[in-house]
Amino acid sequence: AQKVTQAQTEISVVEKEDVTLDCVYETRDTTYYLFWYKQPPSGELVFLIRRNSFDEQNEISGRYSWNFQKSTSSFNFTITASQVVDSAVYFCARLTSGTYKYIFGTGTRLKVLA
Amino acid sequence: DTGVSQDPRHKITKRGQNVTFRCDPISEHNRLYWYRQTLGQGPEFLTYFQNEAQLEKSRLLSDRFSAERPKGSFSTLEIQRTEQGDSAMYLCASTAQDRGEETQYFGPGTRLLVL
Repeated sequence: AQKVTQAQTEISVVEKEDVTLDCVYETRDTTYYLFWYKQPPSGELVFLIRRNSFDEQNEISGRYSWNFQKSTSSFNFTITASQVVDSAVYFCARLTSGTYKYIFGTGTRLKVLA
Repeated sequence: DTGVSQDPRHKITKRGQNVTFRCDPISEHNRLYWYRQTLGQGPEFLTYFQNEAQLEKSRLLSDRFSAERPKGSFSTLEIQRTEQGDSAMYLCASTAQDRGEETQYFGPGTRLLVL
């Protein structure tokens, strides 16, 4: 199976620290999409970002930024100046163009301590 | 609120009982998906619908599981003769595939506990 690997099971940081969540994916496809979702304790998966395989431009949205590198099959997520409200489980996922089911990683639990 | 909704949010049942969950997608979305998430894992695909047609079922979906989307709007997921291994979070998602929109929007999930 073409996996999505999130090697960091749990990360703890102190508020205002920067933190990077790693995501490495496997694919033989030329066209695919990558996603990050946030899952707070309430359980709902909240969409954060989508990238397609042809767009390697990094993106910044407020305190969030994403680094997509096809050469290393990585799509890492950085939170700058972390806040307690950032505490959640973060999932990386992949979708092959023309298909319909996401392949999720196992998630990284982020704990931001006050 | 125009997001994906799921009902109930929590369900506790005894082994052997049947349970049914409901999902209401975002109104203009024609694709609807069901996923299962166990503790410490990412969601795993179960099945999906395009309008009322069920187009794919995962091997995770045993014969005890059935899903319907009779009018192409809301969907139900039924589990018959529940087993303790069915305890999980059941997530529903929807997307407007015909607009080339690949992003799936998820509901809050139904957390099932089988005793």
